[in-house]
Amino acid sequence: DQQVKQNSPSLSVQEGRISILNCDYTNSMFDYFLWYKKYPAEGPTFLISISSIKDKNEDGRFTVFLNKSAKHLSLHIVPSQPGDSAVYFCAASGYQAGTALIFGKGTTLSVSS
Amino acid sequence: GAGVSQSPSNKVTEKGKDVELRCDPISGHTALYWYRQSLGQGLEFLIYFQGNSAPDKSGLPSDRFSAERTGGSVSTLTIQRTQQEDSAVYLCASSLGWEQFFGPGTRLTVL
Repeated sequence: DQQVKQNSPSLSVQEGRISILNCDYTNSMFDYFLWYKKYPAEGPTFLISISSIKDKNEDGRFTVFLNKSAKHLSLHIVPSQPGDSAVYFCAASGYQAGTALIFGKGTTLSVSS
Repeated sequence: GAGVSQSPSNKVTEKGKDVELRCDPISGHTALYWYRQSLGQGLEFLIYFQGNSAPDKSGLPSDRFSAERTGGSVSTLTIQRTQQEDSAVYLCASSLGWEQFFGPGTRLTVL
């Protein structure tokens, strides 16, 4: 059973608009959440993270929101740029750093100019 | 500085053969992880090493899979008697804290 779910396999957005990528999880023991971005033929690269004690973390154009009661997090990209087109993976981790990440299946974002 | 490197970048093998995949983590990173991504799937955890502790092998799909990490640095993932369902991109990552840094992966194709 999937512990981390990204229910939208793809998302298309126009340049300059907001991209919202969603992620749901089932395990209430998850303590830390991360978003990774992946281009074809490359490994995933870290984008932004959030601890379970926070509900928002912002880094430039990227903001991650966490709703613990709903077991839901989202990544907002504003404004979206064509270079943001990639696969975005949501990942969750347990009680301490250095444990394996549980990944969702990813959402492919396409930003058109 | 140098990131995580993996070799080979591509490997094509015949069903039943053994393969070895190599990972060079970022120098000084104490944790090393192996994941794989099958077509249309997310990243699936396989195994991880943390310092000198016994590795967490809970994600290995069968006893045909094994991994070792020598001298707390380089790691080798070995798949014995490969099957077609082993075809995937095998990704290695290393970390000091929460953020894991990934290599470019090895694309394994089993014919």
